[in-house]
Amino acid sequence: GQNIDQPTEMTATEGAIVQINCTYQTSGFNGLFWYQQHAGEAPTFLSYNVLDGLEEKGRFSSFLSRSKGYSYLLLKELQMKDSASYLCANKGNTPLVFGKGTRLSVIA
Amino acid sequence: EAQVTQNPRYLITVTGKKLTVTCSQNMNHEYMSWYRQDPGLGLRQIYYSMNVEVTDKGDVPEGYKVSRKEKRNFPLILESPSPNQTSLYFCASSLVGFDSYNEQFFGPGTRLTVL
Repeated sequence: GQNIDQPTEMTATEGAIVQINCTYQTSGFNGLFWYQQHAGEAPTFLSYNVLDGLEEKGRFSSFLSRSKGYSYLLLKELQMKDSASYLCANKGNTPLVFGKGTRLSVIA
Repeated sequence: EAQVTQNPRYLITVTGKKLTVTCSQNMNHEYMSWYRQDPGLGLRQIYYSMNVEVTDKGDVPEGYKVSRKEKRNFPLILESPSPNQTSLYFCASSLVGFDSYNEQFFGPGTRLTVL
């Protein structure tokens, strides 16, 4: 299998920075996706990493370390609308395998 | 507009009454997939299809059927729904290519309740 682990819930303050971690099994790795999902809505694409390092995209950045089977999503200047679930997904030798998601609550 | 559509968006039905949830995409994607999402369990794959007439089981295929007669459509069939199939269902599609970036596009979801 391709177990993916990420924290179940996190809380952060508006304007702050939060890091959401994800670990995955490294066998057959072909890329790591992050998706955002607001309650009751469809997941939407945030980022894709296939090489080691940090990919920055506005307030959101994603990091990958292939040797460690580790990724994180970094959200800066948090806004209330960032309250959502963040799903890590491993693209291995089979179609995408999703983690259970991290529910982020942004508080004033 | 490039999109994945699902119908119906909401459905309440009774045990044993066959139903079909349709999924259609207009992006000429080869790959299509069905997921169910339940609290605390995340997104779990039911079935997927790499192309027309090619379908494979995902992690939780029991109680479901699919077909892929045309590239754009991938219906999910519940022959005899049971209450444990009450869930939020998502269809998704993407280009195929495991060694390249291929974002999955998701439909809006179908909330199914089986009484």
